[in-house]
Amino acid sequence: DGGITQSPKYLFRKEGQNVTLSCEQNLNHDAMYWYRQDPGQGLRLIYYSQIVNDFQKGDIAEGYSVSREKKESFPLTVTSAQKNPTAFYLCASSMTEIHEQYFGPGTRLTVT
Amino acid sequence: KDQVFQPSTVASSEGAVVEIFCNHSVSNAYNFFWYLHFPGCAPRLLVKGSKPSQQGRYNMTYERFSSSLLILQVREADAAVYYCACQGGSYIPTFGRGTSLIVHP
Repeated sequence: DGGITQSPKYLFRKEGQNVTLSCEQNLNHDAMYWYRQDPGQGLRLIYYSQIVNDFQKGDIAEGYSVSREKKESFPLTVTSAQKNPTAFYLCASSMTEIHEQYFGPGTRLTVT
Repeated sequence: KDQVFQPSTVASSEGAVVEIFCNHSVSNAYNFFWYLHFPGCAPRLLVKGSKPSQQGRYNMTYERFSSSLLILQVREADAAVYYCACQGGSYIPTFGRGTSLIVHP
């Protein structure tokens, strides 16, 4: 089955710890994205990558970091510098940046 | 700044046609996407395009600065969040804040 997987579905961390969210796709898509969803805020773009070994900041990149070492993988690290990390995080991919995005099932991160 | 605007909530009765409206301030906009999102699941693309289009019970209208999603014969199971996204010169789509659809039996 082709698709996008995110793991884990639920993640709990203590304040001050970095945490890495996984995103893998087997759709052979060049572009990948990370969004954050908060109630009433919709989907806000954190980072995106149009090709391996390259990525750009989105609208709310502060406190986050990413890497794109492989076409299939685009992990997101939520650092201790992120002031409000508790949220639902969605990963997406698209054939290229001009094509529609396909989403993973999301990871709900709770930091206490 | 590129922005997309849509109502936070729309309510309808079962069996009716419901319209969710979206407008934008996206530079050089040329394409719209409409996604369906059930909480905890992956958002799913319903319909897309740079002209009016239809996919099953979902119709999309297209104007230069707005689009509407029309859901025909709406059901209680359609209650979810619907996202409008607009694609422009930067290619990365800008998403609205989502519209929660409430369906009354």
